[in-house]
Amino acid sequence: EAGVAQSPRYKIIEKRQSVAFWCNPISGHATLYWYQQILGQGPKLLIQFQNNGVVDDSQLPKDRFSAERLKGVDSTLKIQPAKLEDSAVYLCASSLARDSTSYEQYFGPGTRLTVT
Amino acid sequence: AQSVTQLDSHVSVSEGTPVLLRCNYSSSYSPSLFWYVQHPNKGLQLLLKYTSAATLVKGINGFEAEFKKSETSFHLTKPSAHMSDAAEYFCVVSELKSNTGKLIFGQGTTLQVKP
Repeated sequence: EAGVAQSPRYKIIEKRQSVAFWCNPISGHATLYWYQQILGQGPKLLIQFQNNGVVDDSQLPKDRFSAERLKGVDSTLKIQPAKLEDSAVYLCASSLARDSTSYEQYFGPGTRLTVT
Repeated sequence: AQSVTQLDSHVSVSEGTPVLLRCNYSSSYSPSLFWYVQHPNKGLQLLLKYTSAATLVKGINGFEAEFKKSETSFHLTKPSAHMSDAAEYFCVVSELKSNTGKLIFGQGTTLQVKP
């Protein structure tokens, strides 16, 4: 079974530029998550989708971050404009359903973003 | 609000010796607790989970963890460390409120295994 795919794996941009990350979840997984992992910290949930609807975006900085999951499959996370503090690894995860006690979240390898 | 605290940011053991990674949690509800492992340049992988069944949970690669409600702890152990165990380990609690399945991660513990 193919895992969660993410691209690009690495990205370096200057502050105030824009950037987009792509995630392809495991086939059939209805729930998709985007996490931000700053160096030395644990991942923090940014946004959660159930199919193509948003379940939780309470920690997404909506003035600069946006995400979509058109057709309930692939997802894109965008940052515009980027700030230095956005330097982090952005992780995508997917699961069959959102009950985390019953359905494991599978994580992709992440995209490492460096903002200079 | 739910949270987890990993008591050690870095643990170093010799190969073949026991591993202990400590985690305390805070929760207003009966929590679901997890341990995830992250190897360099690899995705996070679930080691084990506790979901209100047996308090001693066995996971992959010989790891296990014991849920102790009286101590609000969920420490991860392994009898004998292997070089391949060197990685970052995260203790995680599931936010039960609103049933979103949201995971709340601790800060992580780096496990170093010396030959």
